[in-house]
Amino acid sequence: SQQGEEDPQALSIQEGENATMNCSYKTSINNLQWYRQNSGRGLVHLILIRSNEREKHSGRLRVTLDTSKKSSSLLITASRAADTASYFCATDGGANSKLTFGKGITLSVRP
Amino acid sequence: GAGVSQSPSNKVTEKGKDVELRCDPISGHTALYWYRQSLGQGLEFLIYFQGNSAPDKSGLPSDRFSAERTGGSVSTLTIQRTQQEDSAVYLCASSLVGGGYEQYFGPGTRLTVT
Repeated sequence: SQQGEEDPQALSIQEGENATMNCSYKTSINNLQWYRQNSGRGLVHLILIRSNEREKHSGRLRVTLDTSKKSSSLLITASRAADTASYFCATDGGANSKLTFGKGITLSVRP
Repeated sequence: GAGVSQSPSNKVTEKGKDVELRCDPISGHTALYWYRQSLGQGLEFLIYFQGNSAPDKSGLPSDRFSAERTGGSVSTLTIQRTQQEDSAVYLCASSLVGGGYEQYFGPGTRLTVT
């Protein structure tokens, strides 16, 4: 069953624009992670934010976490055509650290 | 260093046959996970190994599915008497330890049951 629900399901933007993707979840978490997937194969880990953190940066990525609203957002600044991919949020409930994934957001960046 | 590797990358099998999928985790990672990804169900957790502890099998969809991890390293996921609904991409991930760390995923095995 899905824990995370991403929003929007699909996003199309022009190269250079910022892309914002949102994720909501239902139960308490240990941390929340964002992954990228190209062409339906392996997932690439982007960033992990722990439940006691509110914001984290990594290069062009900015992640926020609001545990009171059970939501997170991923911002990709100055997008590039190479950012075209599916993006997933995944929650780690801590018990055995299995990840529970949302359905994913398809991002298309037009050159 | 080398990432997580999986073999085969693609597997086509007939309904009713058994299949074995292999995962080589990153050296030194004690935690290993299997997930599967299908159009209808998205990404689902299957099974988790941590060191020498008993595996968490809570995500296995039926008793046709089983997995082993030998010597704390390589893992094999076995599906017996495959059904068409088993068609999916099977992903393996490893983590330094099981507990709040990022997971590194392999490229997956695409299983097609005809």
